[in-house]
Amino acid sequence: EIVLTQSPGTLSLSPGERATLSCRASQSVSSSHLAWYQQKPGQAPRLLIYGASSRATGMPDRFSGSGSGTDFTLTISRLEPEDFAVYYCQHYGRAFGGGTKVEIK
Amino acid sequence: QVQLVQSGAEVKKPGASVKVSCKASGYTFPSYGISWVRQAPGQGLEWMGWISTYNGNTNYAQKVQGRVTMTTDTSTSTAYMELRSLRSDDTAVYYCARLGGGGSYFDYWGQGALVTVSS
Repeated sequence: EIVLTQSPGTLSLSPGERATLSCRASQSVSSSHLAWYQQKPGQAPRLLIYGASSRATGMPDRFSGSGSGTDFTLTISRLEPEDFAVYYCQHYGRAFGGGTKVEIK
Repeated sequence: QVQLVQSGAEVKKPGASVKVSCKASGYTFPSYGISWVRQAPGQGLEWMGWISTYNGNTNYAQKVQGRVTMTTDTSTSTAYMELRSLRSDDTAVYYCARLGGGGSYFDYWGQGALVTVSS
């Protein structure tokens, strides 16, 4: 069973700063099967990135995903106020990471 | 447009069962599997299982295996998740989600249904 570990648990940043979120898999996984989701309070999660690096429809280009094997990264180039949320990685439509909360510093 | 609309909030006593529905629209229902995900208050996302809307095949997470049954009604494009022998730690928001990308990710989500288990 694949276990996904996200770090850090919380990221405190200011609008305009760059955010780098990590997702590490317990064993090598295909990048085709790695997705990222954004969840805001009181809302359902929303698909952000699929296939490790492809942005979902309508997601701004300040969001980018990268990585392979066991290490994957979600980068938000310049944080906008609406980007403060919790982000989850997921493998192959099953296991989720524990999430990273991006909060306003 | 693709929509997944779930049934409303439920309050159940320990030991009871709950059945949550998820009505799909805007796409060909048998072409995409449906997964169920839950989120306890203040916690992360937990995958519960998957059902093929094409042939009814299922795969359940070990944690809920034996207590959960996922079904579909293709005539109404609706998926169901029934959880039995409810405990207080089953209190959560339950989401259905459509499987896209050949089963690799969830491209559409329902709005969620809060299930509260309390005596």
